[in-house]
Amino acid sequence: DAGITQSPRHKVTETGTPVTLRCHQTENHRYMYWYRQDPGHGLRLIHYSYGVKDTDKGEVSDGYSVSRSKTEDFLLTLESATSSQTSVYFCAISPSDTRSYNEQFFGPGTRLTVL
Amino acid sequence: KQEVTQIPAALSVPEGENLVLNCSFTDSAIYNLQWFRQDPGKGLTSLLLIQSSQREQTSGRLNASLDKSSGRSTLYIAASQPGDSATYLCALTGGGGSEKLVFGKGTKLTVNP
Repeated sequence: DAGITQSPRHKVTETGTPVTLRCHQTENHRYMYWYRQDPGHGLRLIHYSYGVKDTDKGEVSDGYSVSRSKTEDFLLTLESATSSQTSVYFCAISPSDTRSYNEQFFGPGTRLTVL
Repeated sequence: KQEVTQIPAALSVPEGENLVLNCSFTDSAIYNLQWFRQDPGKGLTSLLLIQSSQREQTSGRLNASLDKSSGRSTLYIAASQPGDSATYLCALTGGGGSEKLVFGKGTKLTVNP
């Protein structure tokens, strides 16, 4: 157990509404990541963070923003949700900032449905 | 751009069989490769990580190998059990000029009693 929780675990929302997903870790790891998982596409990186207030874009960042004001929390925001953002969202952490040992551990996921 | 491929997409075997899952990648300049297991409706569980300087890693009935020159990794599962049924994903860091984790689409394994 890597001490990662995600909230909410399930959410149904309507097109055009803002949505914020939260990832919380208990072990003060520096690196945190947001992925989405879709049939036919696998897991794709949305955004990641390498420290408080330090974030960068991933492969599919359009329509998403992130914030990290505390080490333990990494928030993913959909400013105006669209049906194409219906997906399962996973948060991950990495205990190491060494390139050769970047083992990642995943949270339980949030299932988001945008109607 | 790094691409990761897992073939086959699905595999069904009888209990007790030894099996190999395959993962191939296009850019050999990787930092490490990680194998995950995902049960339906669940998150990913890390199984093994192989650093780029290593050839293999073992954990219990699992053995993962890495051959960077050929762009291949294999996950060997010995004496398969019904509880091994899950989707197995490989992912790697590095290659294609990126340090980010790039995933294959997975192999769905079913072990029949």
